[in-house]
Amino acid sequence: DIQMTQSPSTLSASVGDRVTITCRASQSISSWLAWYQQKPGKAPKLLIYKASSLESGVPSRFSGSGSGTEFTLTISSLQPDDLATYYCQQYNSYSRTFGQGTKVEIK
Amino acid sequence: EVQLVESGGGLVQPGGSLRLSCAASGFTFSGYWMNWVRQAPGKGLEWVANIKQDGSEKYYVDSVKGRFTISRDNAKNSLYLQMNSLRAEDTAVYYCARDLWGYGSGSFDIWGQGTMVTVSS
Repeated sequence: DIQMTQSPSTLSASVGDRVTITCRASQSISSWLAWYQQKPGKAPKLLIYKASSLESGVPSRFSGSGSGTEFTLTISSLQPDDLATYYCQQYNSYSRTFGQGTKVEIK
Repeated sequence: EVQLVESGGGLVQPGGSLRLSCAASGFTFSGYWMNWVRQAPGKGLEWVANIKQDGSEKYYVDSVKGRFTISRDNAKNSLYLQMNSLRAEDTAVYYCARDLWGYGSGSFDIWGQGTMVTVSS
């Protein structure tokens, strides 16, 4: 099975900061990677698919990059509404896998 | 409105069974792979199982193989998860999610609100 490892586990940043979250796959997954945002008590929300494609309606401050085994999610200018936990997910195989999550806190 | 609504969660004793349902509306349910994803209290997301459009292919995470069965009824626009031999570690919120596999992606673009399953004596 493909394992997904995110770093850091927790991140604290100020409003306006550029924030980067990394996700590593245990084997190459090409660009078959998605990013989700989950706010407390809510279902996850799709942000990015195919590693770098922005889901409709998602603010342009969110971007994704990478291929193979290393991927990043970047928030160009952190906003108070971005307080959430972010998950990467691979879909290179029919058995999907999520990363363990990165909690973003606002300083 | 495109929507998924889960039901069937509750409190069950270890070793017991429960059947979750997910009602789809607002889209052509039979055209999509569907998934179950769970989240234990205070923990991250865990993919549980998925099923092909016609039900001919099903995949499971190792921890539920032989205990859980995913199924669907396209005539009723419904997805199911039959959970047997439940354990304390199955305690979680269970989400159903629409899969875009076959549409240029395999990401989950629509999620339900979740249903809580608690396994405890």
